[in-house]
Amino acid sequence: QSVLTQPPSVSAAPGQKVTISCSGSSSNIGNNYVSWYQQLPGTAPKLLIYDNNKRPSGIPDRFSGSKSGTSATLGITGLQTGDEADYYCGTWDTSLSVGVFGGGTKLTVL
Amino acid sequence: EVQLLESGGGLVQPGGSLRLSCAASGLTFSTYAMSWVRQAPGKGLEWVSVISGSGSRTYYADSVKGRFTISRDNSKNTLYLQMHSLRAEDTAVYHCAKDGKTSGWWDWGQGTLVTVSS
Repeated sequence: QSVLTQPPSVSAAPGQKVTISCSGSSSNIGNNYVSWYQQLPGTAPKLLIYDNNKRPSGIPDRFSGSKSGTSATLGITGLQTGDEADYYCGTWDTSLSVGVFGGGTKLTVL
Repeated sequence: EVQLLESGGGLVQPGGSLRLSCAASGLTFSTYAMSWVRQAPGKGLEWVSVISGSGSRTYYADSVKGRFTISRDNSKNTLYLQMHSLRAEDTAVYHCAKDGKTSGWWDWGQGTLVTVSS
């Protein structure tokens, strides 16, 4: 059971938009920055979003992040078949003094 | 370009020990906290441990506390994870990752597979 809650799967058609939610508590998302990761099959995770809504260099602006209270959201617009992957949210939990991840969301581009 | 290369994984019997290493290049190693994150076969990411840039502060997931020890040698740009009393549930690919200055795990190694089985 993950500390952060994500939907197991989402799907949308090519060119469409999808959002992935990440729910936590005041000890993690509520008081810490959230980051998001893309993991393509057989590869290491890749940072997409940090500090809730910032993109590292090289990440297209089709990817966006937001946070409100104890929840965060990853948005992906202009979906491509290459976006099919597992997506994870992550943050620090201040009360537990541990890093925490969501259980992951599998994105299918139909 | 940051490169992280893990090594030391393998097959170990329950109750055994293993030491993982992560060789880092392309960064001023001592200025970054470093983490270990693992992924059991077919499962999600699980944070394991973090160490500050100087090595003075460490934190562990409850699942490994008292059994695993994270350390670093800044003169060798290398991160370590000493694992004792290994259990079947420790079977996973172990990734080392560079922590961001404010948030996130920015760079990841490809991982090394640890299999705990008799």
